[in-house]
Amino acid sequence: DAGITQSPRHKVTETGTPVTLRCHQTENHRYMYWYRQDPGHGLRLIHYSYGVKDTDKGEVSDGYSVSRSKTEDFLLTLESATSSQTSVYFCAISESTLANPVYEQYFGPGTRLTVT
Amino acid sequence: DAKTTQPTSMDCAEGRAANLPCNHSTISGNEYVYWYRQIHSQGPQYIIHGLKNNETNEMASLIITEDRKSSTLILPHATLRDTAVYYCIVRPFSGTYKYIFGTGTRLKVLA
Repeated sequence: DAGITQSPRHKVTETGTPVTLRCHQTENHRYMYWYRQDPGHGLRLIHYSYGVKDTDKGEVSDGYSVSRSKTEDFLLTLESATSSQTSVYFCAISESTLANPVYEQYFGPGTRLTVT
Repeated sequence: DAKTTQPTSMDCAEGRAANLPCNHSTISGNEYVYWYRQIHSQGPQYIIHGLKNNETNEMASLIITEDRKSSTLILPHATLRDTAVYYCIVRPFSGTYKYIFGTGTRLKVLA
């Protein structure tokens, strides 16, 4: 399995509080992604990163910010959590090389966030 | 929006081949077909990818039609552990870094 960890794995927080989720990888992969998964919606991309300090928005970025100050860590911040952000959050990584430019993704175990 | 269409759910008898179809009629020439699966509440797992030729690995086979408008993922001898949601995704192999996941096919392998 790819070396991806997410912390915390479970969190309950109150509406209006800031929350930061961490994704850590030991694979030295260039690309990192944050997704959320809700019943009936499948996986939806929040933000992604294509290098240190290089990030871009995904499909559902409103209310979220990200930072990547080093290759191995990608942080997702909810500045002021709302109940609509209750979800399971997955981090993913990918890499490409000349021999394998196909960018398959490897996913972390997920973080279950509940906003009350 | 996802560029693929998959059946919502399928059943398969244990030990039999599971054939999961995917329609991607608007696929472009530079787009690959990827398959992932998600077992219960775990993170999705990469299975296989292909461009236009059929592909096989230790997990599955991927059959892509000659016009590339559809594909089939084949699990040759399904086991109970293959019960999962299977996602078919198309995306370019370079340029854009986004995957668009649809809602997938929920495969249930029956004992």
